[in-house]
Amino acid sequence: QSALTQPASVSGSPGQSITMSCTGTSSDVGGYDSVSWYQQHPGKAPKLMIYDVSDRPSGVSNRFSGSKSGNTASLTISGLQAGDEADYFCSSYTSSSTLYVFGTGTKVTVL
Amino acid sequence: QVQLVQSGAEVKKPGASVKVSCKASGYTFTNYAIHWMRQAPGHRLEWLGWINVGNGNTKYSQKFQGRVTITRDTSASTAYMQLRSLTSEDTAVYYCARTFGPGGFDPWGQGTLVTVSS
Repeated sequence: QSALTQPASVSGSPGQSITMSCTGTSSDVGGYDSVSWYQQHPGKAPKLMIYDVSDRPSGVSNRFSGSKSGNTASLTISGLQAGDEADYFCSSYTSSSTLYVFGTGTKVTVL
Repeated sequence: QVQLVQSGAEVKKPGASVKVSCKASGYTFTNYAIHWMRQAPGHRLEWLGWINVGNGNTKYSQKFQGRVTITRDTSASTAYMQLRSLTSEDTAVYYCARTFGPGGFDPWGQGTLVTVSS
């Protein structure tokens, strides 16, 4: 089963901006505008931060933004805060038999 | 508020089956699909399948086809996921989540730890 590739870790200081990537193929990220991003604190359920590549659910801070270019999607967190320290993973619809595929996850550390 | 509450942790022996429930509240249950995912320790999430709560139609990941069954009880606003022929590799936290847009999942249940051990 294929997975979306994410960097293992990204770090930044409070107030800075960070960007993490999510690389797939033309069968998933590149082929559909159904990329979503989730924040997961240890021991907690995932929380939707971005859907349909760049849309934010109501209640999610506008410090979180998403984009896509080719087979790679990106999540940017601006004005980094201590509470942003968590694991982030991406997801995409895929034309493969698994229908939905998830990323390997990125641990965000606020220095 | 929209909420999904799952059943409690389970410990099963290899070869057994497990059935996890997911009770919805705060919205019209039949208007949204429910998806099931799992996260094994140190591994990424895997999508198991989903159910169209309105008509009961289901779709499963080919990896789990034949071993997983997702059902729903609209009178109880509850979805269920049953996984059969368990092995140690099925030890994971299982989550239900509601459809949000074409490819999003929100909210998620709190997760149910299923441990498979002899």
